[in-house]
Amino acid sequence: DSGVTQTPKHLITATGQRVTLRCSPRSGDLSVYWYQQSLDQGLQFLIQYYNGEERAKGNILERFSAQQFPDLHSELNLSSLELGDSALYFCASSVEGQPYEQYFGPGTRLTVT
Amino acid sequence: AQSVAQPEDQVNVAEGNPLTVKCTYSVSGNPYLFWYVQYPNRGLQFLLKYITGDNLVKGSYGFEAEFNKSQTSFHLKKPSALVSDSALYFCAVRPSGGTLTFGKGTMLLVSP
Repeated sequence: DSGVTQTPKHLITATGQRVTLRCSPRSGDLSVYWYQQSLDQGLQFLIQYYNGEERAKGNILERFSAQQFPDLHSELNLSSLELGDSALYFCASSVEGQPYEQYFGPGTRLTVT
Repeated sequence: AQSVAQPEDQVNVAEGNPLTVKCTYSVSGNPYLFWYVQYPNRGLQFLLKYITGDNLVKGSYGFEAEFNKSQTSFHLKKPSALVSDSALYFCAVRPSGGTLTFGKGTMLLVSP
């Protein structure tokens, strides 16, 4: 168990809908990262937050957004969902600063029908 | 931009034999290199990292990796494979001040 929790574990929704994925980092970790894992794209970095502020942005679509709250949990919002958004979404956390390793949550499997 | 190549989609090895999972990288400056393992329906688990110093890095579950700067490689190794090592292995690189970039992953299958 990495100490990173994600909810829900599975999510099935229809195209055009909006969903919110939730992540709680390990105790003491200020940085939260979101990744998307799909068969064709592999593991792609989406966005990083550090202590409530956006720190780095990767291949995140404009339809997607994230935030980190004062209690350090983070939410990833996915809107206007398309079939191609079906994937595993992982959250990871780390102590800020490098070269600290990231610890991953169990993931949320999103299926868009 | 940095990149990671894992040239083998799958590696097959018999239990008790040594295993190697290959990784090469491209990055500006000094790299921070990582190996992660993913078991079915699970998140990624950190195995080991190279930051600086000794080119041979030891990690969890008996795994080790060798950093080779001239060949820009960071191959994962284990002297004696276990069936329970069967999983998907990811190499990742992070440049100084940058974000983590993962390879496509290599499926390791250890046969009894």
